[in-house]
Amino acid sequence: AQKVTQAQTEISVVEKEDVTLDCVYETRDTTYYLFWYKQPPSGELVFLIRRNSFDEQNEISGRYSWNFQKSTSSFNFTITASQVVDSAVYFCALSEGGYSTLTFGKGTMLLVSP
Amino acid sequence: DTEVTQTPKHLVMGMTNKKSLKCEQHMGHRAMYWYKQKAKKPPELMFVYSYEKLSINESVPSRFSPECPNSSLLNLHLHALQPEDSALYLCASSQGAGRYTDTQYFGPGTRLTVL
Repeated sequence: AQKVTQAQTEISVVEKEDVTLDCVYETRDTTYYLFWYKQPPSGELVFLIRRNSFDEQNEISGRYSWNFQKSTSSFNFTITASQVVDSAVYFCALSEGGYSTLTFGKGTMLLVSP
Repeated sequence: DTEVTQTPKHLVMGMTNKKSLKCEQHMGHRAMYWYKQKAKKPPELMFVYSYEKLSINESVPSRFSPECPNSSLLNLHLHALQPEDSALYLCASSQGAGRYTDTQYFGPGTRLTVL
C-alpha cells in the first residue's frame, strides 16, 4: 500500500490562478515528519517545508501555504496567484521513526501557462 | 547556505567504463545520501552514510560502489553499468546522523546515460 499518495498526476493552470496539490499519507507512528519538495526541469530537488506530527498549525510563506490535518492524514499545499516559475514536479514525502528514509509520493507535475 | 554540489552535471559512459560521481557539502552535515531517479518517478534511496560510515544500503547492485572519504565528500563509483542504470543521480545531505527528524538537502544531480 502506498504510504504517500499524490492522486493528481498533472495539473495545468493559467498564471494567477490558485492551485492546491493534495497529499495523503499513511503511518502507524505517532511521531513523524512530512515534507514538500519542488523539482523544476533542471532536476534539483528544492526543500520547501517540513512539518512534524505534533504541529498542526497551518503555514504560510509568501504565495505558498500548507494545510496539515491529522484527522484526514493530509498535508496539502496551495500556491496562490501561480506564476510560470512555479512549473515543476512537486513531491510530498514522509519520514517515520528510525533512520531518515524519506518515502516519496509519486509527484504532481504542475504546469503554469502565461 | 544549504548548497550541495555535484559533478559532473552530465555523464555518458559505455558499459565497460569506470567512472565516478562526486558530491560535496560544506554545511557541516553528518549524513549524506545517494538517490537514483528515473524519468517521471520519485527518487529511490540507494545509500546512506552517517558520520562517514555506511549505514544503509538498499540492496544496490555491486556495480555501484559508494565511498565517503571525509564528512564533506561522497563519491559513487560506477563500473560495468547497464543501459537501465541511466537515470538522474541525486546526492543529499542532512545535519543530523541520518535520523527521521532530519531535513535532507539535495544537490542538482548528475544525469547519467549508459550506452
